Amino acid sequence: KQEVTQIPAALSVPEGENLVLNCSFTDSAIYNLQWFRQDPGKGLTSLLLIQSSQREQTSGRLNASLDKSSGRSTLYIAASQPGDSATYLCAVIGNYGQNFVFGPGTRLSVLP
Amino acid sequence: DTGVSQDPRHKITKRGQNVTFRCDPISEHNRLYWYRQTLGQGPEFLTYFQNEAQLEKSRLLSDRFSAERPKGSFSTLEIQRTEQGDSAMYLCASSLNSPNTIYFGEGSWLTVV
Repeated sequence: KQEVTQIPAALSVPEGENLVLNCSFTDSAIYNLQWFRQDPGKGLTSLLLIQSSQREQTSGRLNASLDKSSGRSTLYIAASQPGDSATYLCAVIGNYGQNFVFGPGTRLSVLP
Repeated sequence: DTGVSQDPRHKITKRGQNVTFRCDPISEHNRLYWYRQTLGQGPEFLTYFQNEAQLEKSRLLSDRFSAERPKGSFSTLEIQRTEQGDSAMYLCASSLNSPNTIYFGEGSWLTVV
């Protein structure tokens, strides 16, 4: 059974800092991995999708990497802004699975 | 593209009552998912549809829960004889084929008192 963990559970940084969020999964037989953002009381917004054959994806100030063999992904946020404050979740889907398995998320606070 | 819409956004009900949530996916998306999320946790998979066929159900989906997607368009999730443990946010998502990017709605909050 696939299990996804995220470290740290919460993070508070001053504005302008670069930061890294971590995601680990137990079964490396994944098809792809997605990073999502969730604002309080809201649904999830997809940020980046990495196919299993890819090593990284970039969108603006966000860069996500994937090391499938070690069961890890990182989300790098450059030059953080207060508007980046949210919960960030990663999710994986297996080669034979039909649904995404989510981690518990990292709650990020960027202080002005 | 109007996004995934869910209704109602909030529902307060007494224990033992039945509730129904509706989800309208992005048009032309053939896959539709239901997830449940409690505070401080990631979403947990409940069930998904490929067009009108319900292809997978989680063990979380007890016999009090039923989901339908008639004609492969909108979907409903009904919870019968609600219990306090059913209090959560119910999220709907859709995708074009799988496993591609999935798009979530804003969720339906359920509070059972």
